[in-house]
Amino acid sequence: KNQVEQSPQSLIILEGKNCTLQCNYTVSPFSNLRWYKQDTGRGPVSLTIMTFSENTKSNGRYTATLDADTKQSSLHITASQLSDSASYICVVAYNAGNMLTFGGGTRLMVKP
Amino acid sequence: EPEVTQTPSHQVTQMGQEVILRCVPISNHLYFYWYRQILGQKVEFLVSFYNNEISEKSEIFDDQFSVERPDGSNFTLKIRSTKLEDSAMYFCATIQGVLSTDTQYFGPGTRLTVL
Repeated sequence: KNQVEQSPQSLIILEGKNCTLQCNYTVSPFSNLRWYKQDTGRGPVSLTIMTFSENTKSNGRYTATLDADTKQSSLHITASQLSDSASYICVVAYNAGNMLTFGGGTRLMVKP
Repeated sequence: EPEVTQTPSHQVTQMGQEVILRCVPISNHLYFYWYRQILGQKVEFLVSFYNNEISEKSEIFDDQFSVERPDGSNFTLKIRSTKLEDSAMYFCATIQGVLSTDTQYFGPGTRLTVL
């Protein structure tokens, strides 16, 4: 069964600090891996998309890594801001990208 | 920036009633999706739709569910006879093209409450 597991479930950090969120997956046939940011009560917003051959991808203060051999990904947030408080969801696409399996998300809270 | 819109933002209904959730995709997008998220749980795929046909559907998408694009703009999800467990946020998402790496743009969601 296709699964995406994320850790930690929740995280509290101080404004300005960095953090790293983890994602492990067992999804086949793998197409790509995405990280989304979801504010409470809103739809997810895409941060990064990585294919099998990509090891790292950045989007501003967000940097995602992918190790396709170990089926692990991470999302690193640099110099966190209060507006970074949200759920961060790891999503793996399969069936040529037509279907997505979502992780449970990491709820990040950035405190002043 | 173009965005996906959904109506209503919140729908309250009695168990057994039919509901229709509406989505207006970004204008040049070709693939449409419905997802649901039960409170506190993961987002779950329901169905994908392309060229006026269902492309893929999950086990959740049973005979109680249907989708259509009646007028070339709105993309609707109908639940024929709602159950308490249908209470969730329902998200519409759209993709411009056919590349597997195209970004899915999500709407703000419709919160469905079944009493």
